[in-house]
Amino acid sequence: GAGVSQSPSNKVTEKGKDVELRCDPISGHTALYWYRQSLGQGLEFLIYFQGNSAPDKSGLPSDRFSAERTGGSVSTLTIQRTQQEDSAVYLCASSSVAGGQGLGSFFGPGTRLTVL
Amino acid sequence: GENVEQHPSTLSVQEGDSAVIKCTYSDSASNYFPWYKQELGKRPQLIIDIRSNVGEKKDQRIAVTLNKTAKHFSLHITETQPEDSAVYFCAASTTGGFKTIFGAGTRLFVKA
Repeated sequence: GAGVSQSPSNKVTEKGKDVELRCDPISGHTALYWYRQSLGQGLEFLIYFQGNSAPDKSGLPSDRFSAERTGGSVSTLTIQRTQQEDSAVYLCASSSVAGGQGLGSFFGPGTRLTVL
Repeated sequence: GENVEQHPSTLSVQEGDSAVIKCTYSDSASNYFPWYKQELGKRPQLIIDIRSNVGEKKDQRIAVTLNKTAKHFSLHITETQPEDSAVYFCAASTTGGFKTIFGAGTRLFVKA
């Protein structure tokens, strides 16, 4: 594949509904990140997957948020009972490791989530 | 845990002038320092990076410097152009787990 892909590109939902956001990382990349970015703001770290290690969930803002990565590839971020403050762009990024060092991340185009 | 501080949050320069963005990191084990540029409405993109065994790296009008002792690194853009206007993020990657930590970003305005 050419790069990191995300779907859907846009999602409008009603408050209280659940949503699933999908990320397809670059093939072979062992690391996968989810970030949230509100308009004009920085990158809010949500969760980090690295190989077969337990994910770093320290950035998830509440127990309504969860993510999984199946087979070390595709990842799904799930937000349950969405709230209006969940509205943001959700960015996925993947990266690799070489020579015992992490490498630069490649970002997907993002999913713009709007909760009405 | 690892923390990356970035300054300034906003920077405005005249076209042709230089721009400098500075970052500090807390984890002395960090060994990889990428910089990203995010244009309005687009995704962040890697523009340059530096590893801990190197003090400086240049790529045309952009350069990065690293001071491991002081745990800070900087991005230098020379001869700025309006298309350099964007948000710039620094980041640091630790050896333990290879997790990348981002700074809060610097919004650069280049005035024509």
